[in-house]
This record gives sequence, C-alpha cells and structure tokens, in this order.
Amino acid sequence: EVQLVESGGGLVKPGGSLRLSCTASGFSFSSYSMGWVRQTPGKGLEWVSSINPDSSYIYYRDSVKGRFTISRDSAKNSLYLQMSSLTAEDTALYYCVRDRLMGYTRWDFDHWGQGSLVTVSS
Amino acid sequence: DIQVTQSPSSLSASVGDRVTITCRTSQSVYTNFNWYQQKSGKAPKLLIHDATTLYGGVPSRFRGSGSGTEFTLTVSGLQPEDFATYFCQQSSRSPYTFGQGTTVQI
Repeated sequence: EVQLVESGGGLVKPGGSLRLSCTASGFSFSSYSMGWVRQTPGKGLEWVSSINPDSSYIYYRDSVKGRFTISRDSAKNSLYLQMSSLTAEDTALYYCVRDRLMGYTRWDFDHWGQGSLVTVSS
Repeated sequence: DIQVTQSPSSLSASVGDRVTITCRTSQSVYTNFNWYQQKSGKAPKLLIHDATTLYGGVPSRFRGSGSGTEFTLTVSGLQPEDFATYFCQQSSRSPYTFGQGTTVQI
C-alpha cells in the first residue's frame, strides 16, 4: 500500500523558516516524481513544487521561487520542502503528492499524504 | 497563468441522479486535464487523468470528457459515497492550476 506521511508543520512567525518532510512507503520512491500541493479555504488547491526521480529537474510556482527548496533522499525514501521568508500567504495545509506515471513528470497526482499544516502568524 | 473556471460551485442531488460538473480553461490544455474527489477532512483522490481516462479502481459511473478548453465530469447513478467536493486541474503548463471545486451535497 502506498503511503505518504508528512511532518514538520507548525506555527512560524512571518519571515521565519520551516522544513516539511514526507516519508514514502509501499512503492519504488526513486522511480517517481514527487511534489507538494497546498490547500487553503480561500485559494483552494495550489501546486507548489515538483522534483523528478533523480532530482535533475525541479519546478516551482513563481510565488515560492527563491524562498522554497524541494529535495529528496532516495536512501531515506523521503521528500523535503525547505521554506524560508514565510508570509501569511504561505499559511496552508501542505500535501506531499506522488506523480502518477513512473519515470515521468506529468503533474497529475495519484497519491496524497494526509497533509501538514503550516501557519504563518505573529 | 492558465485560469481554470469550475462550475457550479455547489449542487444538490439525490442518490441515483446524474450530475455534471464543468471546467473551462483560459487557454487550450489539450487533454492534459484531471479530476479529483475530496471528502471532508481527507486528501484529494485522483479520479480521471488525461481528460477521459479513469484512474485504476475508480467506478465506471465516473466519466470525463472534453479537450482544449472545456471539460466535463459526469457521475451517472450517484451513490451515497459520491457526496464530496470535486476539483479539476490542468497539467499542461506551469503553474498547474486547479478549479475552485464543486461540492455535491444531498
């Protein structure tokens, strides 16, 4: 069974940093592109970032470029999102997601974690 | 950014009904289009990818159609477990944008 388990969320002050982690199991992690999607009641679902299986291609939405860094460690079956210079606009539930097609990045997501809540507030 | 406009935002239906949800994109996304179902307090689940292809394990009462800029999700014979929020998403061009969601309620 595919499982994605996020951790690392919490309350952080504006301008602060936070690192989200996602531990994957039940599939060949090193063969799939992975990503992060966030959700808020106001803005709905927003794709944030994706990384291909060997980390040679990395993608971000414009609003997080230069502030967020996605990375992965296949030895640990883990995906990370390092977030810095956080603002209230980054407050959201962050989902770790798996790209559907093994070996490709298609930006359709067939498995989602349960989400990790990030709240940016003073 | 490609805008994805989803309608309606909510609808009321009964078990056994056929419901249709529509999404329009601000430019052509060909068939790079997906549908998800989200139940309260849970993560979204992929229903349909590439506009018309049913994801594995998804009941055949779900059907996706369309290409270019207009897409439709049809649920034929609504079941109690189908009452949920549905999102569409374009996967053609970054940023990979989602519709605002349609809540299907009893």
